Amino acid sequence: DAGVIQSPRHEVTEMGQEVTLRCKPISGHDYLFWYRQTMMRGLELLIYFNNNVPIDDSGMPEDRFSAKMPNASFSTLKIQPSEPRDSAVYFCASRRTGWDLNTEAFFGQGTRLTVV
Amino acid sequence: AQSVTQPDIHITVSEGASLELRCNYSYGATPYLFWYVQSPGQGLQLLLKYFSGDTLVQGIKGFEAEFKRSQSSFNLRKPSVHWSDAAEYFCAAPGSNTGKLIFGQGTTLQVKP
Repeated sequence: DAGVIQSPRHEVTEMGQEVTLRCKPISGHDYLFWYRQTMMRGLELLIYFNNNVPIDDSGMPEDRFSAKMPNASFSTLKIQPSEPRDSAVYFCASRRTGWDLNTEAFFGQGTRLTVV
Repeated sequence: AQSVTQPDIHITVSEGASLELRCNYSYGATPYLFWYVQSPGQGLQLLLKYFSGDTLVQGIKGFEAEFKRSQSSFNLRKPSVHWSDAAEYFCAAPGSNTGKLIFGQGTTLQVKP
C-alpha cells in the first residue's frame, strides 16, 4: 500500500477563496482523522470518521470548515472562505478498528496551506 | 479527562550524548501508548508502541521507551543521539472509549555537533 495520500502537498490561496484538501486513507482502514498543526497550537484533531461517518467534529474551528467522507477511500476538508489564520499544515491519518499490538495510526505527508 | 503531557517543549543535546524525552499520561485503565517522530516537512512516523507485557519497548532507529505505571510515564530514550535525530517527538494515547488518538504537545529535539 502507498500509505495515506494527501493532495495537494502545498496550497497557496488568497483570503476569501475556497480551499479543498484531499485524503486517500490506507485500504481497509476504518478510521480517518484530520489534524491541523501550527506553531502556536501544536497538533490539533479537527474531526474524525469511523466507517465514513463523522464521529467527533468538536475540533473544527468554525463553520467555515467542513469535512466529508463520501466513501471508504476518499475524504475532503474544505475551508470556505479561507482566512490567513487558517495557514497551517493539515494532516490526514488513518487506522484500522481496534487497539492491539498491530494497530497504529498512519499519517500522510500533510498539506501546507498558506492563505495570503 | 484523559491527557498526554510532554513537559519539555524544546531539548538540546550534543551528538553522541544520551537522550530522554518525558511523557506523562492520565488514564484509568492500562493505557496503550505511542511515540511518533516528525522530521522537518514530513508527516508523523511511529517510533514504538506499548500495549501490554514487557514494560521496556524497543522501537526503530535505536529508540526505546519504558512504561512506568507508578509514575504514569512513558519516557523515550536513546543511548547515543545522532544529528539525524533532530526532529519533533510526540507521545500519544487513545482517547477513552473513543477511536481517536490524543497527542502531547510535542518536544522539539535539537542536536549540537
